[in-house]
Amino acid sequence: DTGVSQNPRHKITKRGQNVTFRCDPISEHNRLYWYRQTLGQGPEFLTYFQNEAQLEKSRLLSDRFSAERPKGSFSTLEIQRTEQGDSAMYLCASSPRNEQFFGPGTRLTVL
Amino acid sequence: RKEVEQDPGPFNVPEGATVAFNCTYSNSASQSFFWYRQDCRKEPKLLMSVYSSGNEDGRFTAQLNRASQYISLLIRDSKLSDSATYLCVVEEGGSQGNLIFGKGTKLSVKP
Repeated sequence: DTGVSQNPRHKITKRGQNVTFRCDPISEHNRLYWYRQTLGQGPEFLTYFQNEAQLEKSRLLSDRFSAERPKGSFSTLEIQRTEQGDSAMYLCASSPRNEQFFGPGTRLTVL
Repeated sequence: RKEVEQDPGPFNVPEGATVAFNCTYSNSASQSFFWYRQDCRKEPKLLMSVYSSGNEDGRFTAQLNRASQYISLLIRDSKLSDSATYLCVVEEGGSQGNLIFGKGTKLSVKP
């Protein structure tokens, strides 16, 4: 499968714990995006990388969130000191230009 | 005012019906527009880009009215497999590809 992959697919954690998600984009895509989606809402933009450079961050991305794309290939999204409000689907998308292709997402549940 | 607004539905239609979805957006600087389809608990998948001249892909027709900041999607001869949530998506004006999603319109096609 040459699409966008994300791991893990599901994560259950206790409030206050740190979690890290991984995204592997389509190999020739230099743009990578993270979104968050909650029930009944469309995805909301979190952050954007072009190659290894993080070029934009949403106001939604609090200090507890950090994202990296160290070699311009895979990316990680870390959430520190998780809160119940962080429970959501975290989606990664990659893009060669305008059209974005999404991975299956990581569903986070914070107890 | 929300950036991308859609009628949430649900639209319940019989097989073979024609159904139309509408969407309005607030940022006049937006340059790229899309319709995505999202099945329950799955990631969004690109259905089609929307061009100023209007575009058609099989049973699906998308149109854009920049003056009114209005986007539409027409589905002809609807199939059971068309049942999904349809997300109107607008590229954030002045951004580097950040997408603003509507909440989606739910379509249910019945036999």
